[in-house]
Amino acid sequence: EVQLLESGGGLVQPGGSLRLSCAASGFTFSSYAMSWVRQAPGKGLEWVSTFSNSGGGSTSYADSVKGRFTISRDNSKNTLFLQMISLRAEDTAVYYCAKCSGGSCYGDRFDYWGQGTLVTVSS
Amino acid sequence: QSVLTQPPSVSGAPGQRVTISCTGSSSNIGAGFDVHWYQHLPGTAPKLLIYANSNRPSGVPDRFSGSKSGTSASLAITGLQAEDEADYYCQSYDTNLSGSYVVFGGGTKLTVL
Repeated sequence: EVQLLESGGGLVQPGGSLRLSCAASGFTFSSYAMSWVRQAPGKGLEWVSTFSNSGGGSTSYADSVKGRFTISRDNSKNTLFLQMISLRAEDTAVYYCAKCSGGSCYGDRFDYWGQGTLVTVSS
Repeated sequence: QSVLTQPPSVSGAPGQRVTISCTGSSSNIGAGFDVHWYQHLPGTAPKLLIYANSNRPSGVPDRFSGSKSGTSASLAITGLQAEDEADYYCQSYDTNLSGSYVVFGGGTKLTVL
């Protein structure tokens, strides 16, 4: 059974940093692209970032987080990360870890999601 | 403002049929990218409902169906049940000069009357 378990959320002041983790199990983690998707309070789903296995491992980011967020993964520990710096109030959201159905997320779907972890940016 | 446009809400009585539209443009759905649909209950993990326009993952009832034409896609739910009350999102890909990226619709809240 595929399981994705996010952790690391919490309350942080504007300008602060936070590192999210997503522990994966039930599939060969290293073979699949992984992504982060967020949902701000009262809003819809917003793609944040993807770590693809194609091209030796490529990353992509939404314009809203580019230069502030860094996605990474540790295949030996089946874990996906999202390092977030210079956090803003508008980054407040539930952050979901999502598995792509292939090694590249290009044009692809998210076939499994975690339950999410809440990040609140406020003074 | 989402790249893909969905109606904010739809409703229907138990047993009825409802459809949810997802309108894009020539840089996403119209460019040939597949459309995927998700069901999301607040506080839970979103669930893949339809992938590649019209395919159902294992375990999804055949009451749910999807279609795509031109720059739009639709999700249809027949035999509406109380448990179908949730938020529904379409997802595709968009490509422009700065690259390609995942796009979602704004979401549609389905109310079962």
